[in-house]
Amino acid sequence: DTAVSQTPKYLVTQMGNDKSIKCEQNLGHDTMYWYKQDSKKFLKIMFSYNNKELIINETVPNRFSPKSPDKAHLNLHINSLELGDSAVYFCASSPLQGANEKLFFGSGTQLSVL
Amino acid sequence: AQSVAQPEDQVNVAEGNPLTVKCTYSVSGNPYLFWYVQYPNRGLQFLLKYITGDNLVKGSYGFEAEFNKSQTSFHLKKPSALVSDSALYFCAVRDMGDYKLSFGAGTTVTVRA
Repeated sequence: DTAVSQTPKYLVTQMGNDKSIKCEQNLGHDTMYWYKQDSKKFLKIMFSYNNKELIINETVPNRFSPKSPDKAHLNLHINSLELGDSAVYFCASSPLQGANEKLFFGSGTQLSVL
Repeated sequence: AQSVAQPEDQVNVAEGNPLTVKCTYSVSGNPYLFWYVQYPNRGLQFLLKYITGDNLVKGSYGFEAEFNKSQTSFHLKKPSALVSDSALYFCAVRDMGDYKLSFGAGTTVTVRA
């Protein structure tokens, strides 16, 4: 069984559309994250939730809205998609929110906005 | 503020030779340091971490890293590289008490047969 799973793996859409990416972890972890990896492979954190509570909200446009219905799921909804949103989005989880915790990553969702 | 730098975009080595991937960091407090590896079209995988204690940390796949506080470095090493080690390597740092994990820009390692 995949520990951190994201769907879809690939997402191709037109500018202006609204889309969602889903993430689920079956590790029993309390903390989940969304990271964005741009075309130069640079990784930047977007959001983090601990037990359904938002704890990190970086300077991300408010077109991006995370939702955590329970601690095993963290979905990412994006409104009014723009060309610059094209990237690979990674979901990750960690057992706790502590600074010494390692992250477990999903395999990524490659978003292409045309 | 915390940050991490990986000064080399690419590292090329021959199979069987030692491999070193460099990383330096900047934090205001005590650092928690990590190395992750990313294979093509895959998510990142944890290799090793330094929290406290022995400066030499051993991790997965024969990798190790040495924490050097005076030089604020955490270089990743492997004594004898394999072709299968070819991947993108990320160094990351968290300041103690901070929830955010900040990644370096990554270093592409190519091991030639």
